[in-house]
Amino acid sequence: KAGVTQTPRYLIKTRGQQVTLSCSPISGHRSVSWYQQTPGQGLQFLFEYFSETQRNKGNFPGRFSGRQFSNSRSEMNVSTLELGDSALYLCASSIGQTRGDGYTFGSGTRLTVV
Amino acid sequence: GESVGLHLPTLSVQEGDNSIINCAYSNSASDYFIWYKQESGKGPQFIIDIRSNMDKRQGQRVTVLLNKTVKHLSLQIAATQPGDSAVYFCAEKSGNNDMRFGAGTRLTVKP
Repeated sequence: KAGVTQTPRYLIKTRGQQVTLSCSPISGHRSVSWYQQTPGQGLQFLFEYFSETQRNKGNFPGRFSGRQFSNSRSEMNVSTLELGDSALYLCASSIGQTRGDGYTFGSGTRLTVV
Repeated sequence: GESVGLHLPTLSVQEGDNSIINCAYSNSASDYFIWYKQESGKGPQFIIDIRSNMDKRQGQRVTVLLNKTVKHLSLQIAATQPGDSAVYFCAEKSGNNDMRFGAGTRLTVKP
């Protein structure tokens, strides 16, 4: 079966712009989580969506937002980009109904802010 | 706040040797733990998981040990191969809360 698909794979944006990243989970998975990965901070949790509702949220400023659609696909948006937003953005999907569900990650979107 | 952390940032082993990667966690409420492997240019790949009601779980060439008394998790890789070279992350989860990751350990396998 198809894995987690993230688009685009690479993105270059200018400081001050906004960006939207997309994540299509594994079919049947209802939970999508987003992470930011940087060399200095490692993998940091952004937010999790389950059945179109934000279930958990990390400690990121309001410039970072997300949503989930009825088909479980999710988007995250970053407004007023800063140089420090340059990172690999990963999404992970799971069935999301029990605490022990495995998470499957996509390959990520590499965002570079110049 | 609560955090998940790794003891060693880098580990170098000889091909064929066993590898042990360690992880400390501080959230006593965590009840599910996962090890991930991340190769360059890829997302983290699930290796093995363990629930808090278990002390040990084995997979193919990998074993995860959980010591709840000292809040310690380890990943053992038997007969380490060059393809095992990657960054390994432990992650912990508590109930329906989000999954939190440790800093990662880079494993290098020398031929």
